[in-house]
Amino acid sequence: NAGVTQTPKFRILKIGQSMTLQCTQDMNHNYMYWYRQDPGMGLKLIYYSVGAGITDKGEVPNGYNVSRSTTEDFPLRLELAAPSQTSVYFCASSYPKSSGGNYNEQFFGPGTRLTVL
Amino acid sequence: GQQVMQIPQYQHVQEGEDFTTYCNSSTTLSNIQWYKQRPGGHPVFLIQLVKSGEVKKQKRLTFQFGEAKKNSSLHITATQTTDVGTYFCAGQNYGQNFVFGPGTRLSVLP
Repeated sequence: NAGVTQTPKFRILKIGQSMTLQCTQDMNHNYMYWYRQDPGMGLKLIYYSVGAGITDKGEVPNGYNVSRSTTEDFPLRLELAAPSQTSVYFCASSYPKSSGGNYNEQFFGPGTRLTVL
Repeated sequence: GQQVMQIPQYQHVQEGEDFTTYCNSSTTLSNIQWYKQRPGGHPVFLIQLVKSGEVKKQKRLTFQFGEAKKNSSLHITATQTTDVGTYFCAGQNYGQNFVFGPGTRLSVLP
C-alpha cells in the first residue's frame, strides 16, 4: 500500500491564481481530511469528508473548496490564491472505530508546500 | 470552541536527559492522540488514550491521560537524537473532529 499520496510536493502561485491539491489514499478509508500547518504552528482543519459524496467545513474553510466523488480521492481547490494561504497542506485519512478499526488513527500524506507571492 | 494548548513550546535537552510535554484542553475529551513530526516530515501517529487516568508505555515513551480527561502528558526517558521532532497532541470531544495542539518542538543535543 502506498498509503496517502499528495501532489504536487511544492508549488508557487501568484496572487489570484487557482490550483488543485491532489490527495489519494489506497487504504479504503472512509474519512479524509485536509489540514494546513503554518510555520511553528499546529494543524488546522480545513475540510473533511466521512465518505464519498459527503464533505463538511472544518475550522478554517474560507478560500477553499473540496469534493469527494470517490472513496480514494479528496482534492482541495484554491480559487483565488492569497498570501495568507502560504502554508504546508496535509491530507489525512482514517476509519472510525465503529468500522472495526482499532483507532481513529489518522494517516498523513507527505504534504504540499505552497507559497503565494 | 474547543482549544488545545501545549507546553512548553520548545525544549532543548542534552542527550540522555528526560523530556516531558503537557497538553491541556478547554473541554472534557473523549479521547486524546499523540503524534510525532520529524523536521520536514509529516505527523505520524504514536498512541491514543481513552480512559480516565490511563497510562500507556512505548519503550522509553510514557503517555498519561488525566483523571478529568482534560489533560495529558508525554514523557520520554533518556532522550536520544532520534527523538528530535515536534510532538502534537490532538483531542477529540465526543464525536467532534480532533483538535490539534500547537506542538512542542524537541531538540536533543548529542
